[in-house]
Amino acid sequence: KNEVEQSPQNLTAQEGEFITINCSYSVGISALHWLQQHPGGGIVSLFMLSSGKKKHGRLIATINIQEKHSSLHITASHPRDSAVYICAAHISSGSARQLTFGSGTQLTVLP
Amino acid sequence: NAGVTQTPKFRILKIGQSMTLQCAQDMNHNYMYWYRQDPGMGLKLIYYSVGAGITDKGEVPNGYNVSRSTTEDFPLRLELAAPSQTSVYFCASTHAGRGYGYTFGSGTRLTVV
Repeated sequence: KNEVEQSPQNLTAQEGEFITINCSYSVGISALHWLQQHPGGGIVSLFMLSSGKKKHGRLIATINIQEKHSSLHITASHPRDSAVYICAAHISSGSARQLTFGSGTQLTVLP
Repeated sequence: NAGVTQTPKFRILKIGQSMTLQCAQDMNHNYMYWYRQDPGMGLKLIYYSVGAGITDKGEVPNGYNVSRSTTEDFPLRLELAAPSQTSVYFCASTHAGRGYGYTFGSGTRLTVV
């Protein structure tokens, strides 16, 4: 079992829908990242959070440390949100701030 | 700021050839990393460095070597390329302290035939 699990693997939505991507982890972490990877491959950091909730535009990330779970929400989704979303965790016992990655969620937003 | 610059973006190698993937950052980050991304899998750590002159193996180091002679540069060397090294490679960097996010390069898509 991977230390960081994401669901769903694939998600198709209609433009305007509210989207939720989930990430669960099985070990202690010091922080969790949400990353976005567009076709063509570049990876962009969306959020880094260790507690509570962060919001940037239509994106909201939450984390529940007790339940070892994080969610990424997209409100009023748009076709330009189509990308792979990746959660990645700083494992507390890890060194040099290494990240352990989930396998990603492929999001497709249809017009 | 350019951030993290990776070159080349694409490369096709024949089995047994060697090459170096270049990575440079201009943010004075201490920590640098090389990851590989295979289809359907999460990124896997190949090597990392916590500062100039210091490198260490990650999860999947076999077939690769790195060096860190300066803070800015962290090249990844593939010796005797094998088809199993066909992948997309990402370099990333961050500061040592908590609270700093990661910056990723744009990736190198490598095919070994």
